Amino acid sequence: ETGVTQTPRHLVMGMTNKKSLKCEQHLGHNAMYWYKQSAKKPLELMFVYSLEERVENNSVPSRFSPECPNSSHLFLHLHTLQPEDSALYLCASSQVGNRDNEQFFGPGTRLTVL
Amino acid sequence: GESVGLHLPTLSVQEGDNSIINCAYSNSASDYFIWYKQESGKGPQFIIDIRSNMDKRQGQRVTVLLNKTVKHLSLQIAATQPGDSAVYFCAENYGGATNKLIFGTGTLLAVQP
Repeated sequence: ETGVTQTPRHLVMGMTNKKSLKCEQHLGHNAMYWYKQSAKKPLELMFVYSLEERVENNSVPSRFSPECPNSSHLFLHLHTLQPEDSALYLCASSQVGNRDNEQFFGPGTRLTVL
Repeated sequence: GESVGLHLPTLSVQEGDNSIINCAYSNSASDYFIWYKQESGKGPQFIIDIRSNMDKRQGQRVTVLLNKTVKHLSLQIAATQPGDSAVYFCAENYGGATNKLIFGTGTLLAVQP
């Protein structure tokens, strides 16, 4: 399997549920990212992990909790979400330190909070 | 402040015509720019990039132009095809320890047969 994969692709959850989103990159990159994509808004960077350490947290509510156990895997743990958290959650990876440092995206998880 | 914006939210073109999608950025220190294409139900896909020491770069049917004087970026698609229908995002890269990307809101390109 190549590129960046995300599971599940679709998730419906209630406000009291706890769920996790999973991302895996097969590109040998050393940085991974979580983005939130809402309708008619720019992609919002949520978290950045570089060399498995969280280096950025863009004022994301604590009901979103990231985890990066190794350079290939990234999780986003969700609990007590709100309906406004419904969005497409995108994972990306890149090689920090390269001259051309594009980010490669996964297909996203479409999250609906009821 | 930081911002990357697009001039037109929707662009409708006839199949076979050329398309031009524009983008304005605000940070003159940004040194790397990327265009992404996002089809329905998919994540953004890299199209083409350009560094700030260049003003033009060509790919297969696509050309990116960079005007640093007015902080403007454009994506030109030649002979637009129905498969080009998607949302197109520009992004500026701040580099550094995180390769942080700042995205615009996106332009929807609709190709009419």
